[in-house]
Amino acid sequence: AQSVTQLGSHVSVSEGALVLLRCNYSSSVPPYLFWYVQYPNQGLQLLLKYTSAATLVKGINGFEAEFKKSETSFHLTKPSAHMSDAAEYFCAVSGNAGNNRKLIWGLGTSLAVNP
Amino acid sequence: NAGVTQTPKFQVLKTGQSMTLQCAQDMNHEYMSWYRQDPGMGLRLIHYSVGAGITDQGEVPNGYNVSRSTTEDFPLRLLSAAPSQTSVYFCASSYSGLVAETQYFGPGTRLLVL
Repeated sequence: AQSVTQLGSHVSVSEGALVLLRCNYSSSVPPYLFWYVQYPNQGLQLLLKYTSAATLVKGINGFEAEFKKSETSFHLTKPSAHMSDAAEYFCAVSGNAGNNRKLIWGLGTSLAVNP
Repeated sequence: NAGVTQTPKFQVLKTGQSMTLQCAQDMNHEYMSWYRQDPGMGLRLIHYSVGAGITDQGEVPNGYNVSRSTTEDFPLRLLSAAPSQTSVYFCASSYSGLVAETQYFGPGTRLLVL
């Protein structure tokens, strides 16, 4: 069965520092992978997604993620953190091959950006 | 284009009361779903719909009812509220529900059941 693990429920970085949020998945079939962001008191919005095209995926707000099949990872990075990046970040993987409409969600990583 | 809207934003209920959380989208999406978000548990799918007149259960459907009479609306009914239903509820939609599609989320409804 598919599963998602986000390493670190809380990550704190300084403004201008590298952001690295980790996501590992397990999947018996080629996965689709997603990162969503939730700003305080708002709904989730898509940052980026991998759907079996280029392994390095660029998203909004300067974020990118690299699909590494050998490591079963889809880590999210941003070279330089901004105060406005403080939010909750969720990684998700597509469900089983026979159920192509459901996502399996990670528990989320809360990113704090310090001045 | 309002996207996905949810009402109310906040609600306090007493145990045993019933209520309906409203969700509407103006993007002509066929697929709509309801999630609940609880600390340490991520997002859990309650119910979903692949089109008007078609609904199905997600992973945590007990205590909730849904119907889909129009493409635009997908209300979630709590039949008899319990403290365990205290949560933040999100409605989401996508074009047809295929996993490669982007899901669009509403701003959420915060529900407190006393």
